[in-house]
Amino acid sequence: GIQVEQSPPDLILQEGANSTLRCNFSDSVNNLQWFHQNPWGQLINLFYIPSGTKQNGRLSATTVATERYSLLYISSSQTTDSGVYFCAVRADKLIFGTGTRLQVFP
Amino acid sequence: NAGVMQNPRHLVRRRGQEARLRCSPMKGHSHVYWYRQLPEEGLKFMVYLQKENIIDESGMPKERFSAEFPKEGPSILRIQQVVRGDSAAYFCASSPGTVINSPLHFGNGTRLTVT
Repeated sequence: GIQVEQSPPDLILQEGANSTLRCNFSDSVNNLQWFHQNPWGQLINLFYIPSGTKQNGRLSATTVATERYSLLYISSSQTTDSGVYFCAVRADKLIFGTGTRLQVFP
Repeated sequence: NAGVMQNPRHLVRRRGQEARLRCSPMKGHSHVYWYRQLPEEGLKFMVYLQKENIIDESGMPKERFSAEFPKEGPSILRIQQVVRGDSAAYFCASSPGTVINSPLHFGNGTRLTVT
């Protein structure tokens, strides 16, 4: 099956810093989504981005499907950005990566 | 538009009891997916259902676990004779029809604790 790897596994930032999270996948996919799991465990849809670039406020994402990776950019990080960020790819079903745990300190 | 609704939010069961987790998909969505998240891990696919049909149950344990999505009512994930290792967050997601090029929408999950 498809392998989904995320890096870095852990990230500690001070408020205001920028960061880039990476998702590599091992095969062609029809769908890629980024999620934020907040400290209360809720999964929040960030982007549906099978290809190209999208922006939503301080967050943006780019997927290069031909090279099998996606990047999530967080600018001017805030403490509320803390949590785990998952990418998930879909061929026939959605397969999750292992996540990047982000901690943002004031 | 209501999102994917899961209940209960938290469920505590003693070893050997049964757990029933419910999921109502978004309006107009006829496809439901169940995922399990063990503590400090990612989400693992369990089962994919359409109305009255199980499409893919390759991620579901062969024993004690079952899922259904009846013509009327929510999808149910049933765990019989629960053990401590079943303690996890169970998430449900839905999508419209068979179009695979569309995002999945997740509920807030049910956190099962087995004592």
